Amino acid sequence: NAGVTQTPKFQVLKTGQSMTLQCAQDMNHEYMSWYRQDPGMGLRLIHYSVGAGITDQGEVPNGYNVSRSTTEDFPLRLLSAAPSQTSVYFCASSYSISGVVSNQPQHFGDGTRLSIL
Amino acid sequence: AQTVTQSQPEMSVQEAETVTLSCTYDTSESDYYLFWYKQPPSRQMILVIRQEAYKQQNATENRFSVNFQKAAKSFSLKISDSQLGDAAMYFCAYNLHYGGSQGNLIFGKGTKLSVKP
Repeated sequence: NAGVTQTPKFQVLKTGQSMTLQCAQDMNHEYMSWYRQDPGMGLRLIHYSVGAGITDQGEVPNGYNVSRSTTEDFPLRLLSAAPSQTSVYFCASSYSISGVVSNQPQHFGDGTRLSIL
Repeated sequence: AQTVTQSQPEMSVQEAETVTLSCTYDTSESDYYLFWYKQPPSRQMILVIRQEAYKQQNATENRFSVNFQKAAKSFSLKISDSQLGDAAMYFCAYNLHYGGSQGNLIFGKGTKLSVKP
């Protein structure tokens, strides 16, 4: 059982480059989300999805795009990378029961460390 | 807006002793969940314990217990019989029980716990 898989684990980009962080889960979870973790800031929500075809913005969405074409995958796109996007990115997923996800444990991937020069 | 505050950036405990990590939160909602997550140097996010706001009984998980004071909006974590493997960053987190953003976790900035042998 792979759980939540994030790729790549490390990436270095130059300012202005684009890239996609991949997130896949094999638990048939409806809810998926992306967080970024910066030193001294805890984790902050970027985007989330409550099911295939449905996405919404979190606390810090600027500079990031997401889509959810399948239940399993939730990629995060940086269209034009900026040094301020240097961070560790976590993908998480959670099961929902009758549309309620809040009481379900969230499963986190191992994170992607992204550096933008 | 909901906020989570962890006032202790770093804590230290002697092996086998007890330590308490503090967390306060601000919300106008009455129905929500509170969590403590552990992040060891491996970067994984591990759920330690979960508390439902409508339950007055404090949650416990083996050596981990919480002191939930709803009126004071306080949610502290007590680790008994501390072990070297408890050394990690600990994050307090909150989410709503209902609503479109119910699965979205709001994190504190974390407390780094060191365990001395």
